[in-house]
Amino acid sequence: EPEVTQTPSHQVTQMGQEVILRCVPISNHLYFYWYRQILGQKVEFLVSFYNNEISEKSEIFDDQFSVERPDGSNFTLKIRSTKLEDSAMYFCATTLRYEQYFGPGTRLTVT
Amino acid sequence: RKEVEQDPGPFNVPEGATVAFNCTYSNSASQSFFWYRQDCRKEPKLLMSVYSSGNEDGRFTAQLNRASQYISLLIRDSKLSDSATYLCVVNKDTDKLIFGTGTRLQVFP
Repeated sequence: EPEVTQTPSHQVTQMGQEVILRCVPISNHLYFYWYRQILGQKVEFLVSFYNNEISEKSEIFDDQFSVERPDGSNFTLKIRSTKLEDSAMYFCATTLRYEQYFGPGTRLTVT
Repeated sequence: RKEVEQDPGPFNVPEGATVAFNCTYSNSASQSFFWYRQDCRKEPKLLMSVYSSGNEDGRFTAQLNRASQYISLLIRDSKLSDSATYLCVVNKDTDKLIFGTGTRLQVFP
């Protein structure tokens, strides 16, 4: 099972601030995904990223969100101006043999 | 209609019991099917992929009925450590995973 790490484990920010969530897969993977889970709700797809490009994004992934792979290993999710409703767990995932494996997540709290 | 529907539970069962979870999906074009487990405030962990012919992994058996758009998970000889939320997950022709809301299982001594 591929190992995916995420930092920070918990981020508290004020409404309107920018946050960057980071994901580091141990192996050299090409496919990356971001999902979020609002407390008490289901896991929801945000975006998929392949070969340094977005391959698919959901309605949730609006202009406030962006993803990039700045240095060939880290994979980041940026929220430009956070809103209260962005409070959630954010999970990064990667693919091995058509199965997706999730990182431990970042809990984002917007106050 | 929800894309993936599951009974939220909770299912409270004694150790050693057999328990079954069901899931239905709305899109007949769905191609891949999975069961994940999720512990409280943790990431989803892949339990098993579900194949058309059905598959078994130790105490866990998954079945797929494409005609009825129905997936099941059977857990035999339940352990305390099986207590978790079980997520039914499907995808179509992209890599986007579509999750159900999960079924909570509590195994008691």
